[in-house]
Amino acid sequence: DVKVTQSSRYLVKRTGEKVFLECVQDMDHENMFWYRQDPGLGLRLIYFSYDVKMKEKGDIPEGYSVSREKKERFSLILESASTNQTSMYLCASTRYSNQPQHFGDGTRLSIL
Amino acid sequence: QKEVEQNSGPLSVPEGAIASLNCTYSDRGSQSFFWYRQYSGKSPELIMFIYSNGDKEDGRFTAQLNKASQYVSLLIRDSQPSDSATYLCAVITGANSKLTFGKGITLSVRP
Repeated sequence: DVKVTQSSRYLVKRTGEKVFLECVQDMDHENMFWYRQDPGLGLRLIYFSYDVKMKEKGDIPEGYSVSREKKERFSLILESASTNQTSMYLCASTRYSNQPQHFGDGTRLSIL
Repeated sequence: QKEVEQNSGPLSVPEGAIASLNCTYSDRGSQSFFWYRQYSGKSPELIMFIYSNGDKEDGRFTAQLNKASQYVSLLIRDSQPSDSATYLCAVITGANSKLTFGKGITLSVRP
Protein backbone atom coordinates (compact mmCIF):
# COMPACT_ATOMS: atom_id res chain seq x y z
CA ASP A 1 0.00 0.00 0.00
CA VAL A 2 1.03 3.57 -0.69
CA LYS A 3 2.05 5.47 2.40
CA VAL A 4 1.96 9.26 2.37
CA THR A 5 3.10 10.74 5.66
CA GLN A 6 2.57 14.32 6.74
CA SER A 7 4.76 15.52 9.57
CA SER A 8 2.05 16.97 11.83
CA ARG A 9 -1.67 16.32 12.34
CA TYR A 10 -2.25 19.60 14.15
CA LEU A 11 -0.16 22.76 14.11
CA VAL A 12 -0.67 26.18 15.68
CA LYS A 13 1.42 29.13 14.53
CA ARG A 14 1.31 32.91 14.80
CA THR A 15 0.83 35.48 12.05
CA GLY A 16 4.05 36.44 10.34
CA GLU A 17 5.83 33.18 11.14
CA LYS A 18 7.45 31.09 8.41
CA VAL A 19 5.75 27.69 8.46
CA PHE A 20 6.99 24.42 6.97
CA LEU A 21 4.69 21.48 6.23
CA GLU A 22 6.46 18.27 5.29
CA CYS A 23 5.23 15.33 3.24
CA VAL A 24 6.99 12.04 2.51
CA GLN A 25 5.85 9.16 0.29
CA ASP A 26 7.37 5.69 0.15
CA MET A 27 6.31 4.51 -3.32
CA ASP A 28 8.85 6.29 -5.52
CA HIS A 29 6.09 8.41 -7.07
CA GLU A 30 7.07 11.09 -9.53
CA ASN A 31 4.10 13.38 -8.87
CA MET A 32 3.34 15.09 -5.57
CA PHE A 33 0.68 17.65 -4.70
CA TRP A 34 -0.35 20.09 -1.98
CA TYR A 35 -4.03 20.99 -1.48
CA ARG A 36 -5.95 22.96 1.06
CA GLN A 37 -9.51 22.12 2.01
CA ASP A 38 -11.97 24.64 3.39
CA PRO A 39 -15.71 24.29 4.15
CA GLY A 40 -17.78 25.27 1.14
CA LEU A 41 -14.75 25.62 -1.11
CA GLY A 42 -13.68 22.01 -1.46
CA LEU A 43 -10.17 20.86 -2.28
CA ARG A 44 -8.00 23.44 -4.03
CA LEU A 45 -4.59 22.77 -5.54
CA ILE A 46 -1.78 24.97 -4.23
CA TYR A 47 1.32 23.54 -5.94
CA PHE A 48 2.43 20.32 -7.52
CA SER A 49 5.70 18.74 -8.59
CA TYR A 50 6.30 16.14 -11.30
CA ASP A 51 10.00 15.57 -10.59
CA VAL A 52 12.80 16.49 -8.24
CA LYS A 53 13.41 20.26 -8.21
CA MET A 54 10.43 20.78 -10.53
CA LYS A 55 7.32 22.65 -9.40
CA GLU A 56 4.18 24.05 -10.94
CA LYS A 57 1.65 26.52 -9.55
CA GLY A 58 -1.82 25.27 -8.89
CA ASP A 59 -4.98 27.32 -8.51
CA ILE A 60 -4.07 29.24 -5.33
CA PRO A 61 -0.26 29.58 -5.04
CA GLU A 62 -0.22 33.08 -3.54
CA GLY A 63 1.47 33.19 -0.14
CA TYR A 64 2.99 29.73 -0.55
CA SER A 65 6.14 28.18 -1.94
CA VAL A 66 7.35 24.60 -2.21
CA SER A 67 10.55 22.60 -2.21
CA ARG A 68 11.35 19.20 -3.64
CA GLU A 69 15.00 18.34 -3.13
CA LYS A 70 14.43 14.58 -2.97
CA LYS A 71 11.93 12.46 -4.85
CA GLU A 72 10.15 11.22 -1.74
CA ARG A 73 9.78 14.57 0.03
CA PHE A 74 7.66 17.59 -0.88
CA SER A 75 7.54 20.58 1.44
CA LEU A 76 5.02 23.40 1.57
CA ILE A 77 6.21 26.72 2.93
CA LEU A 78 4.08 29.58 4.18
CA GLU A 79 6.46 32.49 3.81
CA SER A 80 4.66 34.78 6.29
CA ALA A 81 1.64 33.08 7.79
CA SER A 82 -1.66 34.93 7.84
CA THR A 83 -4.98 34.07 9.48
CA ASN A 84 -6.63 33.35 6.12
CA GLN A 85 -4.21 30.43 5.74
CA THR A 86 -5.89 28.60 8.61
CA SER A 87 -7.04 25.41 6.89
CA MET A 88 -6.66 21.67 6.43
CA TYR A 89 -3.62 20.95 4.27
CA LEU A 90 -3.45 17.70 2.33
CA CYS A 91 -0.50 16.16 0.54
CA ALA A 92 -0.98 13.56 -2.21
CA SER A 93 1.16 11.56 -4.60
CA THR A 94 0.80 9.41 -7.72
CA ARG A 95 3.17 7.70 -10.11
CA TYR A 96 1.42 8.81 -13.30
CA SER A 97 -0.69 11.94 -13.60
CA ASN A 98 -3.76 10.09 -14.94
CA GLN A 99 -3.85 7.63 -12.05
CA PRO A 100 -5.45 7.99 -8.59
CA GLN A 101 -3.78 10.25 -6.09
CA HIS A 102 -3.13 8.90 -2.60
CA PHE A 103 -3.52 11.28 0.30
CA GLY A 104 -1.74 11.73 3.60
CA ASP A 105 -3.71 12.16 6.83
CA GLY A 106 -3.68 15.95 6.54
CA THR A 107 -2.39 18.77 8.72
CA ARG A 108 -4.91 21.01 10.41
CA LEU A 109 -3.11 24.35 10.61
CA SER A 110 -4.31 27.23 12.75
CA ILE A 111 -2.77 30.67 12.40
CA LEU A 112 -3.44 32.92 15.38
CA GLN B 1 -17.64 27.93 -14.92
CA LYS B 2 -17.58 25.03 -12.51
CA GLU B 3 -15.60 22.16 -13.97
CA VAL B 4 -16.87 19.36 -11.75
CA GLU B 5 -20.31 19.62 -10.17
CA GLN B 6 -22.03 17.48 -7.58
CA ASN B 7 -25.48 17.87 -6.09
CA SER B 8 -25.13 19.93 -2.94
CA GLY B 9 -26.95 17.43 -0.73
CA PRO B 10 -27.04 16.29 1.95
CA LEU B 11 -28.42 12.92 0.93
CA SER B 12 -30.16 10.72 3.46
CA VAL B 13 -31.09 7.08 2.83
CA PRO B 14 -32.29 4.26 5.11
CA GLU B 15 -30.02 1.36 5.92
CA GLY B 16 -30.14 -1.28 3.20
CA ALA B 17 -31.20 1.13 0.46
CA ILE B 18 -29.30 2.10 -2.68
CA ALA B 19 -27.55 5.47 -2.51
CA SER B 20 -27.04 7.20 -5.85
CA LEU B 21 -24.45 9.95 -6.11
CA ASN B 22 -24.08 11.97 -9.30
CA CYS B 23 -21.39 14.14 -10.82
CA THR B 24 -21.13 16.12 -14.05
CA TYR B 25 -18.02 17.57 -15.66
CA SER B 26 -17.43 20.22 -18.28
CA ASP B 27 -14.23 19.07 -20.07
CA ARG B 28 -15.32 16.71 -22.83
CA GLY B 29 -11.73 15.49 -23.20
CA SER B 30 -11.56 14.12 -19.64
CA GLN B 31 -10.32 10.55 -19.48
CA SER B 32 -9.97 9.56 -15.82
CA PHE B 33 -12.64 9.65 -13.12
CA PHE B 34 -12.43 8.93 -9.41
CA TRP B 35 -14.64 8.70 -6.35
CA TYR B 36 -13.19 9.42 -2.94
CA ARG B 37 -14.80 8.96 0.46
CA GLN B 38 -13.97 11.35 3.26
CA TYR B 39 -15.00 10.82 6.85
CA SER B 40 -15.29 13.89 9.06
CA GLY B 41 -11.84 15.12 10.09
CA LYS B 42 -10.07 12.57 7.90
CA SER B 43 -8.38 12.72 4.51
CA PRO B 44 -9.96 11.53 1.23
CA GLU B 45 -9.75 7.80 0.56
CA LEU B 46 -10.00 6.40 -2.98
CA ILE B 47 -12.91 3.98 -3.38
CA MET B 48 -13.43 3.71 -7.14
CA PHE B 49 -11.86 4.79 -10.41
CA ILE B 50 -13.19 4.38 -13.95
CA TYR B 51 -11.71 5.17 -17.34
CA SER B 52 -14.16 3.65 -19.85
CA ASN B 53 -17.83 4.14 -20.60
CA GLY B 54 -20.13 1.79 -18.78
CA ASP B 55 -20.26 0.27 -15.33
CA LYS B 56 -17.52 -0.87 -13.00
CA GLU B 57 -18.41 -2.87 -9.91
CA ASP B 58 -16.42 -3.45 -6.74
CA GLY B 59 -18.32 -5.10 -3.94
CA ARG B 60 -21.27 -2.90 -2.95
CA PHE B 61 -19.98 -0.01 -5.09
CA THR B 62 -20.68 0.58 -8.78
CA ALA B 63 -19.25 3.47 -10.76
CA GLN B 64 -21.04 4.45 -13.96
CA LEU B 65 -19.51 6.61 -16.68
CA ASN B 66 -21.29 8.22 -19.62
CA LYS B 67 -18.82 10.35 -21.59
CA ALA B 68 -21.42 11.47 -24.16
CA SER B 69 -23.53 13.00 -21.40
CA GLN B 70 -20.49 13.95 -19.33
CA TYR B 71 -21.57 12.41 -16.08
CA VAL B 72 -20.20 9.88 -13.69
CA SER B 73 -22.15 8.34 -10.84
CA LEU B 74 -21.56 6.14 -7.83
CA LEU B 75 -24.11 3.62 -6.58
CA ILE B 76 -23.81 2.15 -3.12
CA ARG B 77 -25.96 -0.96 -2.65
CA ASP B 78 -27.13 -2.20 0.75
CA SER B 79 -26.09 1.08 2.36
CA GLN B 80 -24.68 0.82 5.88
CA PRO B 81 -24.36 3.47 8.61
CA SER B 82 -20.59 3.17 8.13
CA ASP B 83 -21.06 4.56 4.60
CA SER B 84 -22.07 7.91 6.13
CA ALA B 85 -19.40 10.30 4.84
CA THR B 86 -18.73 12.97 2.25
CA TYR B 87 -18.16 11.62 -1.27
CA LEU B 88 -15.92 13.55 -3.63
CA CYS B 89 -16.01 13.20 -7.38
CA ALA B 90 -12.68 13.96 -9.11
CA VAL B 91 -11.86 14.24 -12.79
CA ILE B 92 -8.59 14.55 -14.69
CA THR B 93 -9.06 17.61 -16.90
CA GLY B 94 -7.10 19.73 -19.29
CA ALA B 95 -3.87 19.37 -21.16
CA ASN B 96 -1.83 19.35 -17.93
CA SER B 97 -3.79 16.41 -16.49
CA LYS B 98 -4.99 18.38 -13.51
CA LEU B 99 -7.18 16.56 -10.99
CA THR B 100 -10.26 18.67 -10.29
CA PHE B 101 -12.57 17.87 -7.39
CA GLY B 102 -16.22 18.52 -6.95
CA LYS B 103 -17.26 20.05 -3.64
CA GLY B 104 -18.60 16.75 -2.40
CA ILE B 105 -21.93 15.46 -1.20
CA THR B 106 -22.61 14.31 2.34
CA LEU B 107 -24.35 10.97 2.64
CA SER B 108 -26.17 9.96 5.81
CA VAL B 109 -27.38 6.37 6.20
CA ARG B 110 -30.15 6.06 8.80
CA PRO B 111 -30.17 2.87 10.91
